[in-house]
Amino acid sequence: DAGITQSPRYKITETGRQVTLMCHQTWSHSYMFWYRQDLGHGLRLIYYSAAADITDKGEVPDGYVVSRSKTENFPLTLESATRSQTSVYFCASSVDRGQPQHFGDGTRLSIL
Amino acid sequence: QKEVEQDPGPLSVPEGAIVSLNCTYSNSAFQYFMWYRQYSRKGPELLMYTYSSGNKEDGRFTAQVDKSSKYISLFIRDSQPSDSATYLCAMMGHGSSNTGKLIFGQGTTLQVKP
Repeated sequence: DAGITQSPRYKITETGRQVTLMCHQTWSHSYMFWYRQDLGHGLRLIYYSAAADITDKGEVPDGYVVSRSKTENFPLTLESATRSQTSVYFCASSVDRGQPQHFGDGTRLSIL
Repeated sequence: QKEVEQDPGPLSVPEGAIVSLNCTYSNSAFQYFMWYRQYSRKGPELLMYTYSSGNKEDGRFTAQVDKSSKYISLFIRDSQPSDSATYLCAMMGHGSSNTGKLIFGQGTTLQVKP
């Protein structure tokens, strides 16, 4: 019962570095999502994907890049990390539109 | 104005109390309504999922949707210290209004004291 796993769970890096957060799901869900969660802002959608090779921007996409070459993986890359990207990042998946999303346990990212 | 409004609390109640958590929304296209529970340092966990209006019950939890008032509620009966968490409401549209994206409330932090 692996479900959805995120790695790493914790990451500390410096401004200007590239960082990739990994997300893997074992359910073969079509939809996958990346959120960031910040105090005072709640969960904000960064990018989402309806299927392999189909991605679209969410509410706060600037500074982030995603790819989805395989259904089960949806990595999120910060190309040049900034302090404002310090946050907790959650990956989620759902079997289809209109179905609930299921979340991983998050990656706590600190950018110094 | 945000599409979904949720009082962030914190809400503190004694063990055994009935808890009422609420969200209001402005988009009449919303048809799918969810409640998530999030413990500290964990991801949101789906608690309740309802479509359109009405009530749904699962153990000590009851979800209500009033589309005419654009208002949803989650009731927790016989609250336990283990219910202490942040509760997030979430919703999405139907048909052409459904892009698969959920709109979340800010979350209400609940503390149940023994």
